Amino acid sequence: VQLVESGGGLAQPGGSLRLSCSASGFTFRNYAMYWVRQAPEKGLQVVATISKSGDPTFYADSERDRFTISRDNSNDTLFLQMTGLRIEDAGIYYCAIWNYALDFWGQGTLVTVSS
Amino acid sequence: DIQMTQSPSTLSASVGDRVTITCRASHYINTWLAWYQQRPGKAPNLLIHKASTLASGVPSRFSGSGSGTEFTLTISSLQPEDFATYYCQQYDTQSCTFGPGTKVEIK
Repeated sequence: VQLVESGGGLAQPGGSLRLSCSASGFTFRNYAMYWVRQAPEKGLQVVATISKSGDPTFYADSERDRFTISRDNSNDTLFLQMTGLRIEDAGIYYCAIWNYALDFWGQGTLVTVSS
Repeated sequence: DIQMTQSPSTLSASVGDRVTITCRASHYINTWLAWYQQRPGKAPNLLIHKASTLASGVPSRFSGSGSGTEFTLTISSLQPEDFATYYCQQYDTQSCTFGPGTKVEIK
């Protein structure tokens, strides 16, 4: 099982980024997927989740209307489109597989929000 | 939303010690609770789900117990690789909130 995140980097407040998570080693379309953020020296927060088929989705309150989670089951890839970025959105973003819980995590991609 | 708390926030222990971490939920969550270990610079790793079920490949020195609102993670004999931060997570609701973490340090 492998999850590889990409797309992180530096964005200005109000800017946008699109994160990707490339999956391999398992049948991607059979699992719900999660994005989890870890702010610098902080704990963990679920940002968004998506079902196996792509609908339904769920967002944390602070991310609703700004972030969009989606998936391409043909290409085994998970996405997180982030718009209206805020300073507090900074952190490491992990994608993770939901099986019994968050059974497997990628290594994360770093998002920095600064002017 | 369901709030999760953990105690202690930091724990100093020696190799071979028995260690217990407590996690409390602000509302009843049955046994919908998981525990994760995170080593510095690494992604979290699932240890236990459904409060007491050991995840695949996790050493048997780890165990979990509890239901409702109070849960514990126990490491029966601390090993050098166990010095890390441990998080509980409720998954009774979609928000799947995590506790703030317990850092296990070398005494």
